[in-house]
Amino acid sequence: QKEVEQNSGPLSVPEGAIASLNCTYSDRGSQSFFWYRQYSGKSPELIMSIYSNGDKEDGRFTAQLNKASQYVSLLIRDSQPSDSATYLCAAGGGGSQGNLIFGKGTKLSVKP
Amino acid sequence: EAGVTQFPSHSVIEKGQTVTLRCDPISGHDNLYWYRRVMGKEIKFLLHFVKESKQDESGMPNNRFLAERTGGTYSTLKVQPAELEDSGVYFCASSEHRGNYGYTFGSGTRLTVV
Repeated sequence: QKEVEQNSGPLSVPEGAIASLNCTYSDRGSQSFFWYRQYSGKSPELIMSIYSNGDKEDGRFTAQLNKASQYVSLLIRDSQPSDSATYLCAAGGGGSQGNLIFGKGTKLSVKP
Repeated sequence: EAGVTQFPSHSVIEKGQTVTLRCDPISGHDNLYWYRRVMGKEIKFLLHFVKESKQDESGMPNNRFLAERTGGTYSTLKVQPAELEDSGVYFCASSEHRGNYGYTFGSGTRLTVV
C-alpha cells in the first residue's frame, strides 16, 4: 500500500514566523512530489512541485526533497494569516500515469 | 483560461438512487482525473482518462461507479445505486501532459447519500 504520511496538526505559528510542514512517503518509485494548499471548502491549489533532491525556492515557499530518507518538506517564510489553510503533500504514483498519492494534510494556522 | 468546472457543487440523494457528476476540464487538456475524499480520509485517486480512453481505473471502488469521457471532452461519473459510504467530495483534475506533473483541480462535488 503506497502511502504519504503527514502530521495532521494543527500547526500554529505567529505572523512573520517560518512554518515548517513535513511528509514522508512509502513508495521509493515515486519521482515527483507536490504541495497543494486547500482553503476550507475549496479545491486543492498547486503551490510547489519538486523532482530532484535538494531545495527549490519560489517566493516565500521552499520545498525540500530527500529521496534517501523518503522525506519532503515545505517551508513558508514570513507566514501571513492568509497562509492559514490545509497543506496537502502528494507523491507521483510512479511510472508515467500521473495519478497522485495524497497525505491527509496538515492544517496550518497563522496567528496575527 | 477557464479552469476545471464541476457540477453540481452539491448533491444530496437517498441510498439506492443514481447520481451523475460532471467535469469539464481545461480546454486542450487530454488528461482528466477523478479523485474522491471521504470524510477524515485522504484524497484518493479513482481513475485517469487520456482523451476518451481510460488509462488507469485502478482506484474505482466497485462496479457501481461508471466513468465516461465521450469525445474526449467532458467526463461524467455515475454512481448507481448510491450507498452511504459513497458520501464525500469528488474532485476532477486535468493536465496537458501525461506523467507526474501537478495538475489543476476543479472545485469538487460534495455528495451526500442519506
